[in-house]
Amino acid sequence: GESVGLHLPTLSVQEGDNSIINCAYSNSASDYFIWYKQESGKGPQFIIDIRSNMDKRQGQRVTVLLNKTVKHLSLQIAATQPGDSAVYFCAENYLGGSYIPTFGRGTSLIVHP
Amino acid sequence: NAGVTQTPKFQVLKTGQSMTLQCAQDMNHNSMYWYRQDPGMGLRLIYYSASEGTTDKGEVPNGYNVSRLNKREFSLRLESAAPSQTSVYFCASSAGEATNSPLHFGNGTRLTVT
Repeated sequence: GESVGLHLPTLSVQEGDNSIINCAYSNSASDYFIWYKQESGKGPQFIIDIRSNMDKRQGQRVTVLLNKTVKHLSLQIAATQPGDSAVYFCAENYLGGSYIPTFGRGTSLIVHP
Repeated sequence: NAGVTQTPKFQVLKTGQSMTLQCAQDMNHNSMYWYRQDPGMGLRLIYYSASEGTTDKGEVPNGYNVSRLNKREFSLRLESAAPSQTSVYFCASSAGEATNSPLHFGNGTRLTVT
């Protein structure tokens, strides 16, 4: 999940395991949430999104869960592969009264073959 | 499909020099954004343009200016670079603020200020 400080939280898993990456968001007014994947040397890439009127959304090998009561998001990756190794960011669509994407600090996922 | 294109990919500046980072998108998106990313940090919004002809400050606008040249292009200018501006800069675009759509990012400009 998110943490204060210069070092990213890190999740290490074995290939084939399921991974769960957590994120706490800031603003109860946020109505749209997105998960991005960032590989080394590249810009973030969209993985999956969810609107605030849903609590679960599934994609290919990924599931996002939203708990608005505690302002918490999670990204579940099934059967994690080495190619999933990257930094994962959650974003909420709210900043200072406008619907502007705001990012968490990210979690580094390391998948061991 | 190019998506979001940023130039240059790398740049080294001396303190006090100026430069402009260029960004162009070919997806006919309304909104464009500039973020900076520092080690161990998420992306912090510098400026954004919700639509052609408008620009607004984000979380960390000091030391930067922007221009939304047309619908495709959104540039970021450092008038007098400082070492604190050493960072990776990402441009992004989206269909628009009101549509709740994801951002599409370029691959970044890696800037070092000595």
